Amino acid sequence: EEQLVESGGGLVQPGGSLRLSCSASGFNLRSYEMNWVRQMPGKGLEWISYMSSSGSSVYYADSVKGRFTISRDNAKNLVFLQMSNLSAEDTAVYYCARQPPITMVDWGTFEMWGQGTLVTVSS
Amino acid sequence: EIVLTQSPATLSVSPGEGVTLSCRGSDSVGTNLAWYQQKPGQAPRLLIYDASTRATGIPARFSGSGSGTDFTLTITGLQSEDFAVYYCQQYNHWPPLTFGGGTKVEI
Repeated sequence: EEQLVESGGGLVQPGGSLRLSCSASGFNLRSYEMNWVRQMPGKGLEWISYMSSSGSSVYYADSVKGRFTISRDNAKNLVFLQMSNLSAEDTAVYYCARQPPITMVDWGTFEMWGQGTLVTVSS
Repeated sequence: EIVLTQSPATLSVSPGEGVTLSCRGSDSVGTNLAWYQQKPGQAPRLLIYDASTRATGIPARFSGSGSGTDFTLTITGLQSEDFAVYYCQQYNHWPPLTFGGGTKVEI
């Protein structure tokens, strides 16, 4: 069964750092582009980061640029989101989401999601 | 950045009825628009991509239409499991990939 499982969320103080992990199983991660999407409590969905299958291209939302870093280890089927200088506005459920290959008509969509991991930034 | 505006914010309907949800873009996105369903406590699920193509396993009661700046998601014969929040998302001009604010379909 194809699956994404996030981990690493928790309570962190303002100004602190946290690293989220996304473990992929049931498929070859190196064939897919990956994203992180977050959802603040009671709010809508916000795309925050993208990494190409090879890792050569990365994009960030303006809200996290310079503070968050996406990375991946295709050999270990893992995707990471390193978050630093966190503030209360970063409190959210963070989802990793798989994107179809660029050759597909639905490239740019999020065809598979993990269950999410909650990050709470509070003193 | 493409801004997507969904309306209405909330729809109150009864099981068995049909609904039409709207998504309007601040600029043309062609047909590079997707719809997602999200139930409480769950991750979103892809319903529709390319404006009108159902994703794998999505029932035929879900249909999408539109192009350019105006899109609709229609659900016919609402079932209890369809009560959820629905989001549209554009992937024509990115980054950033952007979502609409969502429409809650409630009983």
